[in-house]
Amino acid sequence: RKEVEQDPGPFNVPEGATVAFNCTYSNSASQSFFWYRQDCRKEPKLLMSVYSSGNEDGRFTAQLNRASQYISLLIRDSKLSDSATYLCVVTTGNTGKLIFGQGTTLQVKP
Amino acid sequence: GAVVSQHPSWVICKSGTSVKIECRSLDFQATTMFWYRQFPKQSLMLMATSNEGSKATYEQGVEKDKFLINHASLTLSTLTVTSAHPEDSSFYICSATEDSPFNQPQHFGDGTRLSIL
Repeated sequence: RKEVEQDPGPFNVPEGATVAFNCTYSNSASQSFFWYRQDCRKEPKLLMSVYSSGNEDGRFTAQLNRASQYISLLIRDSKLSDSATYLCVVTTGNTGKLIFGQGTTLQVKP
Repeated sequence: GAVVSQHPSWVICKSGTSVKIECRSLDFQATTMFWYRQFPKQSLMLMATSNEGSKATYEQGVEKDKFLINHASLTLSTLTVTSAHPEDSSFYICSATEDSPFNQPQHFGDGTRLSIL
């Protein structure tokens, strides 16, 4: 079983749609949780950290459920520029090692 | 913000060649640097963690004699792919952190696309 699993995608949505991505992780000792965004042939960029209380940044909302070992990302009012691959990332221990999910591809269409 | 520069951005070379990739932190001292590899349509996989002045820690399945990592200064780490073969063709990305709790946040370089013919 992969340490971090994501929806396979791709997600094809119209502009303005709301889309949700899910992610599960296998190690209950995981400590930190993130969503990264990766554009084609580019490096990943931190989108937001994920906290147990849930957090929001503009049109993006992230949720963490430690009991279920589940992370989600909600994107409201999708823009064309949101088209990218979204990576669910966790860390375990104090080494800072990032464990990446396979990523879910989002394509927002006009 | 923290900037990490990676060079070269793209390499094409013949099988058997050794290739060196540089990762530099431009405006901060990177006590820890990470090297990742990403094959097409797959996730980034950590190859090794390097701390300045000490030997790198390699992940299981990564050959340390094939992927030589040097982190001789607080602003530079290098990854050398020795005797590269077509199966080593991949996207190599480094990240760097300052001396911060749990090595977060990590600042990523813009990656090196390696193609071995």
